[in-house]
Amino acid sequence: DTEVTQTPKHLVMGMTNKKSLKCEQHMGHRAMYWYKQKAKKPPELMFVYSYEKLSINESVPSRFSPECPNSSLLNLHLHALQPEDSALYLCASRNPGQGLETQYFGPGTRLLVL
Amino acid sequence: AQKVTQAQTEISVVEKEDVTLDCVYETRDTTYYLFWYKQPPSGELVFLIRRNSFDEQNEISGRYSWNFQKSTSSFNFTITASQVVDSAVYFCALSESYNNAGNMLTFGGGTRLMVKP
Repeated sequence: DTEVTQTPKHLVMGMTNKKSLKCEQHMGHRAMYWYKQKAKKPPELMFVYSYEKLSINESVPSRFSPECPNSSLLNLHLHALQPEDSALYLCASRNPGQGLETQYFGPGTRLLVL
Repeated sequence: AQKVTQAQTEISVVEKEDVTLDCVYETRDTTYYLFWYKQPPSGELVFLIRRNSFDEQNEISGRYSWNFQKSTSSFNFTITASQVVDSAVYFCALSESYNNAGNMLTFGGGTRLMVKP
């Protein structure tokens, strides 16, 4: 089973709203990732959690706040977003410690900021 | 620094034609991994294949085949007898040195494949 789930599938929010994206995997993977993908572009890495600790933050604005409550869950809290933050947000997971294992991606959340 | 180039931004073929998607990479590491992912209109990135730098064996999986050539730093992907369901954006990606915290993927720009009936 290589399933990563993400909720919601679609999200529309105003610039003053607070919302959260959720990602879940039950493959026992201990590394989880958030990516942002704009139309017709490849995914861009935002954050990496390894063993529930934030290990990489790719200079992402503070209006994006990641959280890893446990080894299966990854959240992305959104606050005061801008219209240019509209994109597809992808979550991925990987099993570190065994070499360069594959990152498995979820279906993504399509976010529209009005 | 590592780099992945997919020179073909869009390819259009008619069903049952064979099509090859090109991928050229740059890296200074001797140990690295190459990947292909498929992204259908639904958005999910679907893993297709992983190849490590020490294994130049070509691989075939059904209608899909991959040609890895270190001499030309290329990892090309061929779909034989294409079908409409193959229509998607295909990404080639590279991962360098093992890093417990990272396993950073460098993606190519993607190739949009349109298979017409």
